[in-house]
Amino acid sequence: DTAVSQTPKYLVTQMGNDKSIKCEQNLGHDTMYWYKQDSKKFLKIMFSYNNKELIINETVPNRFSPKSPDKAHLNLHINSLELGDSAVYFCASSQSVHAGSGGQYFGPGTRLTVT
Amino acid sequence: GDSVTQMEGPVTLSEEAFLTINCTYTATGYPSLFWYVQYPGEGLQLLLKATKADDKGSNKGFEATYRKETTSFHLEKGSVQVSDSAVYFCAYSRSNDYKLSFGAGTTVTVRA
Repeated sequence: DTAVSQTPKYLVTQMGNDKSIKCEQNLGHDTMYWYKQDSKKFLKIMFSYNNKELIINETVPNRFSPKSPDKAHLNLHINSLELGDSAVYFCASSQSVHAGSGGQYFGPGTRLTVT
Repeated sequence: GDSVTQMEGPVTLSEEAFLTINCTYTATGYPSLFWYVQYPGEGLQLLLKATKADDKGSNKGFEATYRKETTSFHLEKGSVQVSDSAVYFCAYSRSNDYKLSFGAGTTVTVRA
């Protein structure tokens, strides 16, 4: 069973389009995250939700909007896509809201390419 | 501000060689420290962690010791295999913080 799953795995789209990435975890965790990994492998937190409540909202353009319909799902919607949005987006989850209490479990990533 | 710095890669080794990846942190208090591994085409996996000074984390032949006096958490493995080829990330989180902050990653390639 896949613990943290994301769809789609690859997403190729044109500038100006709107797209969504979906994430689901079956670990029973309360906290979920979105990260962006650039071409140099640098990883940056974007958002975090705990029990459907937004707790981390880093400096991210307003074009990015997370939505958590329930504890097991955290989706990422991106409006008006730009070339600079091309990256790998990772979803993750953890049991505790405090990052130091344990590990985070990552999904396989969604490679977004904007042309 | 708080940060974690790890050695730049890429690192290329032969099988059975000794691997060390340096990681140092700058943080107030006693952060929790982690090593994550990312195999090609996959997401990150927690490799090991330590939550207080002198703790040693270990997993899959890898070890790292939380050294408060040198603010370090270096990753070591005595004999690497081709399957250890991956990107390794050092990370930290301050006590009661919501965020996990990652280093820049070190790409390791092990040749047969």
